[in-house]
Amino acid sequence: DAKTTQPNSMESNEEEPVHLPCNHSTISGTDYIHWYRQLPSQGPEYVIHGLTSNVNNRMASLAIAEDRKSSTLILHRATLRDAAVYYCILRGFSNSNSGYALNFGKGTSLLVTP
Amino acid sequence: DTGVSQNPRHKITKRGQNVTFRCDPISEHNRLYWYRQTLGQGPEFLTYFQNEAQLEKSRLLSDRFSAERPKGSFSTLEIQRTEQGDSAMYLCASSERTENYGYTFGSGTRLTVV
Repeated sequence: DAKTTQPNSMESNEEEPVHLPCNHSTISGTDYIHWYRQLPSQGPEYVIHGLTSNVNNRMASLAIAEDRKSSTLILHRATLRDAAVYYCILRGFSNSNSGYALNFGKGTSLLVTP
Repeated sequence: DTGVSQNPRHKITKRGQNVTFRCDPISEHNRLYWYRQTLGQGPEFLTYFQNEAQLEKSRLLSDRFSAERPKGSFSTLEIQRTEQGDSAMYLCASSERTENYGYTFGSGTRLTVV
């Protein structure tokens, strides 16, 4: 399985943008880049995903490098509620029998300070 | 729809006892996953269902573990002869049958084996 590398932790001030990096140098052409986050005592929550182009949704933006070997999750204005562990995961193309389950690493623990 | 529902939220059991957890996925999702998460680690994949068929099992799923999804709706995860090492958060997730959607996770069942 292709692996991802993320910093163990990052810190941000409230109301400032946050850029969470992820390296995935062994990504294959059919791997989607998924981001999830997990707040304390909750299950992971889907944030965003993409394949080649940058993506935006109401929660965040995903910037994907041209060679796809890295990506950055962008939170435009961090709030205290964004404090969580953020996971960058590669999800392969699934055939009829394989669900290609998400393989979580340890993620990046984001601390947001007032 | 209220999302993925897991019951119970917490379970304390004595070593050697059997326990069963239930997951009710989002009704239109035909894929269902079970994960286990220990403190400080990301979730680890256990098993995957497509409708009622169990199509993937992790090596983590020892013969004491069994999962079912009768009629492709709710799923149960049973652990027989529990051990202290089984203490963890057990998470269920569901998704649509396409790579273009994220997973929706439940809040998990926290198991403590004493």
